[in-house]
Amino acid sequence: EDQVTQSPEALRLQEGESSSLNCSYTVSGLRGLFWYRQDPGKGPEFLFTLYSAGEEKEKERLKATLTKKESFLHITAPKPEDSATYLCAVQIYNTDKLIFGTGTRLQVFP
Amino acid sequence: EADIYQTPRYLVIGTGKKITLECSQTMGHDKMYWYQQDPGMELHLIHYSYGVNSTEKGDLSSESTVSRIRTEHFPLTLESARPSHTSQYLCASSGLGSGNTQYFGPGTRLTVL
Repeated sequence: EDQVTQSPEALRLQEGESSSLNCSYTVSGLRGLFWYRQDPGKGPEFLFTLYSAGEEKEKERLKATLTKKESFLHITAPKPEDSATYLCAVQIYNTDKLIFGTGTRLQVFP
Repeated sequence: EADIYQTPRYLVIGTGKKITLECSQTMGHDKMYWYQQDPGMELHLIHYSYGVNSTEKGDLSSESTVSRIRTEHFPLTLESARPSHTSQYLCASSGLGSGNTQYFGPGTRLTVL
């Protein structure tokens, strides 16, 4: 069964304290892995797409990496405005459907 | 500016009412999707469309229906709302120029009393 698991469920960081979020997946065939940011009461905002193991992408304080079984979202020197829920989703080969994890709720304190 | 719009943003309605949630996009995308999200839970696909006059049910069973008469418009209808329909409904689109990436609207928070 295709499945996405994110950990931790919640993460509290001090401003400037770097950390990583994990997304583990089991799928029959991976077409792509997506990271989104979701603020309370809003729709998910696209961050990154990763297609193959070894691929990395960066945007400001965020860096996403991909292996054959999991993806990490590294947050370097986070700021309070990085507080949000980060969602991971996988797209199965030959479909457009996304399977989402439950997300990691990140809180960054000044 | 290319974007995806949902109205209303918030809706509180009584049991038995018929409601339509609107979704429009100016992204030029041919594929559109409806997801349902409960607080603290993952998004679940309930409907999708690959183009005009094409609609399919998603992985999560839903009593709602959809239509796709125009490329840019993908409304969702509940004929008789019930408290179990209370949830966040998110519309998304993808297509040429976006690769496989789905872009989401702001969502509609529906509460059925």
